[in-house]
Amino acid sequence: DAKTTQPPSMDCAEGRAANLPCNHSTISGNEYVYWYRQIHSQGPQYIIHGLKNNETNEMASLIITEDRKSSTLILPHATLRDTAVYYCIASYSGGGADGLTFGKGTHLIIQP
Amino acid sequence: DAGVTQSPTHLIKTRGQQVTLRCSPKSGHDTVSWYQQALGQGPQFIFQYYEEEERQRGNFPDRFSGHQFPNYSSELNVNALLLGDSALYLCASSQGLGLFLAKNIQYFGAGTRLSVL
Repeated sequence: DAKTTQPPSMDCAEGRAANLPCNHSTISGNEYVYWYRQIHSQGPQYIIHGLKNNETNEMASLIITEDRKSSTLILPHATLRDTAVYYCIASYSGGGADGLTFGKGTHLIIQP
Repeated sequence: DAGVTQSPTHLIKTRGQQVTLRCSPKSGHDTVSWYQQALGQGPQFIFQYYEEEERQRGNFPDRFSGHQFPNYSSELNVNALLLGDSALYLCASSQGLGLFLAKNIQYFGAGTRLSVL
């Protein structure tokens, strides 16, 4: 799996959009970008994934650059419950066929 | 619909002892993966079980072993515990090993916190 690079921490005001960047310059053509988050004392939770096109679901939006070397996870209206560590992972599957390679992630702190 | 359940939630052992952790997968899932998460680090993949066999393994010594039962539940065993084995152990379940499909998402339990003294 390709290595990903994320900032160690970020702050965001409650109600504002949280934009979490991820670099994955060595990603291969058939590797997807997955985002998971881990709220304190819980297991990681799947958020969203994408290959080339931008994706949106009820939790977040994922913007992938045209060259696929980076992406941004967007939480449109952050709440205090969104405070968590966010992991960006490049993988051929969502982990269901092989293990996921987690980095240290980005600790997102939502400020009231 | 129950999600992934793990037991116990917390465990304290001493060096040299052996420990067994248990996991019940999400309903409808047949594949179980185990991860170790040290404090301040991301989870590290230990191994994955499907059809009662270990199918994939991360960079962990043979002291770490597992088992999967016919009902898809799984156990993680660690022998000769070291202080460095203190961590949160996470179980994740998914459906259908070998399906390198983008939608083949893992669902995680809340973990077992192991402390080795």
